Amino acid sequence: AAGVIQSPRHLIKEKRETATLKCYPIPRHDTVYWYQQGPGQDPQFLISFYEKMQSDKGSIPDRFSAQQFSDYHSELNMSSLELGDSALYFCASSATSGGKGEQFFGPGTRLTVL
Amino acid sequence: AQTVTQSQPEMSVQEAETVTLSCTYDTSESDYYLFWYKQPPSRQMILVIRQEAYKQQNATENRFSVNFQKAAKSFSLKISDSQLGDAAMYFCAYSSGGSQGNLIFGKGTKLSVKP
Repeated sequence: AAGVIQSPRHLIKEKRETATLKCYPIPRHDTVYWYQQGPGQDPQFLISFYEKMQSDKGSIPDRFSAQQFSDYHSELNMSSLELGDSALYFCASSATSGGKGEQFFGPGTRLTVL
Repeated sequence: AQTVTQSQPEMSVQEAETVTLSCTYDTSESDYYLFWYKQPPSRQMILVIRQEAYKQQNATENRFSVNFQKAAKSFSLKISDSQLGDAAMYFCAYSSGGSQGNLIFGKGTKLSVKP
């Protein structure tokens, strides 16, 4: 079965650089979520999109922005990167209709800021 | 605001034995979902089991079952016949009943399985 795809899997950036993370949800899933997991921490919700519209916002810094495109893939844009942004970034997707609240996670993008 | 608490940072179990991981949550909502996710060393987040709050019957998935006590706001995970591959971090998670509810995670319990 198709899973959530994230790219790149690993990314190394310098402080103050920008980064773009991509997420391709499971086909026919209409909701995409972004989570950030710091070292030794639980995942924290950043932002979500339903049918290409932002549906909820969590602890996402103003330096970050995201959008969902017409093909349902989503991108998380991160600017003015800080050392503290080093983390594992997950994308998850779910199907609103009959989805029963389940979210399926991608493998994550490991971002390292030097 | 909803919160999820996992009071056991680490647990250990002997292979083939049974272990129970604890989770409590706090919410004023009546409609919600509860989940257990497994995160092995690969750091992939794997859905283990889910429970809908309106269902009284405890969910079961093969060797994994939950004890859902709605009044006590408790949601424990029982792993039977533990296997070496069960070693991982386990996160309890909550989401509101709305279909697009984001997940709120507990701090996790690191499970070790001894051969």
